Amino acid sequence: DSGVTQTPKHLITATGQRVTLRCSPRSGDLSVYWYQQSLDQGLQFLIQYYNGEERAKGNILERFSAQQFPDLHSELNLSSLELGDSALYFCASSVDAWTSDTGELFFGEGSRLTVL
Amino acid sequence: DAKTTQPPSMDCAEGRAANLPCNHSTISGNEYVYWYRQIHSQGPQYIIHGLKNNETNEMASLIITEDRKSSTLILPHATLRDTAVYYCIVRDDKIIFGKGTRLHILP
Repeated sequence: DSGVTQTPKHLITATGQRVTLRCSPRSGDLSVYWYQQSLDQGLQFLIQYYNGEERAKGNILERFSAQQFPDLHSELNLSSLELGDSALYFCASSVDAWTSDTGELFFGEGSRLTVL
Repeated sequence: DAKTTQPPSMDCAEGRAANLPCNHSTISGNEYVYWYRQIHSQGPQYIIHGLKNNETNEMASLIITEDRKSSTLILPHATLRDTAVYYCIVRDDKIIFGKGTRLHILP
């Protein structure tokens, strides 16, 4: 158990809909990262938050948005869903955004999104 | 884009040492090398990291060349449970995972 909790574990929805994925980081971790993994693909970095502020942005679509709340949990909002958005969405947390020596990421078990 | 290059797949006989290479020729002086693995569709799991010196923990050893342009992850006695995709990452602000190496452990 990594200590990172993601909900829901599975989600099935239709094209055009909107969903919210939730992530609770490990206790004490200030950074949250979101990744997308499509079938047989690598992990695509979407976005990172540190203590409530956006720190780094990757290949995140404009239809997607995220935020980190004062209690440090994070939500990833996916809207106008398309078939190609079907994927595993992973959240990870780490202690620090900047110190490379404490930078190991702890991953949740992912949220599997299926868009029909 | 990922700052590392890894072979797409490798085989290793059970009980033997698995040596997984990684090239990171553009690594900067203060960037660490991290290794993770992903078993099936589970969340990736941290294995080990290093800057210059070789490192060892209960899971693996990490050998970094003197010029820091490449590294090797060593699983000393591979078991079937080590079958996974192994990712080598150079950590900077955007933690980019490449496609990794799919390691097959052969019985």
